[in-house]
Amino acid sequence: DAGVIQSPRHEVTEMGQEVTLRCKPISGHNSLFWYRQTMMRGLELLIYFNNNVPIDDSGMPEDRFSAKMPNASFSTLKIQPSEPRDSAVYFCASNPSGTDTQYFGPGTRLTVL
Amino acid sequence: SQQGEEDPQALSIQEGENATMNCSYKTSINNLQWYRQNSGRGLVHLILIRSNEREKHSGRLRVTLDTSKKSSSLLITASRAADTASYFCALANFGNEKLTFGTGTRLTIIP
Repeated sequence: DAGVIQSPRHEVTEMGQEVTLRCKPISGHNSLFWYRQTMMRGLELLIYFNNNVPIDDSGMPEDRFSAKMPNASFSTLKIQPSEPRDSAVYFCASNPSGTDTQYFGPGTRLTVL
Repeated sequence: SQQGEEDPQALSIQEGENATMNCSYKTSINNLQWYRQNSGRGLVHLILIRSNEREKHSGRLRVTLDTSKKSSSLLITASRAADTASYFCALANFGNEKLTFGTGTRLTIIP
């Protein structure tokens, strides 16, 4: 199994630009999670999906952030417009139904100038 | 919301020694998990201990859970240079799939 796949691995953009991060969960996993990691705030859960349906988006910082999961094998996290304070590493994770163990992708390091 | 607090924040030991890190939390949990993160990588699950368990082993890892004190410890025996990483506890509450991650312990093994 290839594990959770994220793209791009690195993204550098300018303030005000739209950023789209992509995630392919492990095949057969029912839940997908988006996290953000910074030195100041640690690892924060932004949103999670179960069977492609958003269950809890209480961690999404503001309306500039949106996430979709159009099918079981793909999810996107979009930031529009981006700001320098959005600079962080964004992780996607998935887990199979009936377990709490999460499998993380390698992350996308986002830098907003 | 609940977050695990880990101590120490950083730990440096000689290769071959044992490393112990602790996690404390505030409310009831369903289970507690430990994850490792190597520099520049995603988190990797190490071990899960349920609220009705007190101790669990996996290879060189030993995890304890004291629900009365709301604390857990992770012991890595006979440490190796490859154990250098950050270690996070993660709390699973009842009724949902969310994990709340602790602040992490940065472990450095000195060869």
